[in-house]
Amino acid sequence: GNSVTQMEGPVTLSEEAFLTINCTYTATGYPSLFWYVQYPGEGLQLLLKATKADDKGSNKGFEATYRKETTSFHLEKGSVQVSDSAVYFCAHLDSSYKLIFGSGTRLLVRP
Amino acid sequence: NAGVTQTPKFQVLKTGQSMTLQCAQDMNHNSMYWYRQDPGMGLRLIYYSASEGTTDKGEVPNGYNVSRLNKREFSLRLESAAPSQTSVYFCASSGEGQKNIQYFGAGTRLSVL
Repeated sequence: GNSVTQMEGPVTLSEEAFLTINCTYTATGYPSLFWYVQYPGEGLQLLLKATKADDKGSNKGFEATYRKETTSFHLEKGSVQVSDSAVYFCAHLDSSYKLIFGSGTRLLVRP
Repeated sequence: NAGVTQTPKFQVLKTGQSMTLQCAQDMNHNSMYWYRQDPGMGLRLIYYSASEGTTDKGEVPNGYNVSRLNKREFSLRLESAAPSQTSVYFCASSGEGQKNIQYFGAGTRLSVL
């Protein structure tokens, strides 16, 4: 069945470090892929998305590339800030337009 | 533009009590969703409504009922709350032109004692 697997956290980094959060998915066909971010005490916000193979989604310095060969959509940022501390969710859209979420990865960035 | 509004933000219930979580969106979206978020499990879909007048079960519908009151509002009801329903509940909506983007409310934190 459809599923999303992402690395367990928490991921703890110092400010300006490089970030990678891994995400792989299982799905039929080539679904749209998403990264959502949840800041403390808030709902989820769309961070970036990619709708077809080899697309690169980007926003606020974050990037992720849709890799159909490896069924992956890893999130990267070259230099994290304290304000990036949040929980990050990878997700894909199933054929009924329902989102399938990973379990979330908490990122803690220390000054 | 308020987006998706959920009420209440916090609620404590005793086992067996009932309550309704309210959700409203002002983006003229057709589709609305209810999720629950539990530690280490991401978000799981409880119910969704693809359009006014229709509702469908998601991954974890047991113990819940929903009502799509009109295009704006989609409520979630717990008839007899159980401790296993302690969770954070999120409502979301998506529009016809952008079915692949969901907009979320700030959540309702529910504790069932």
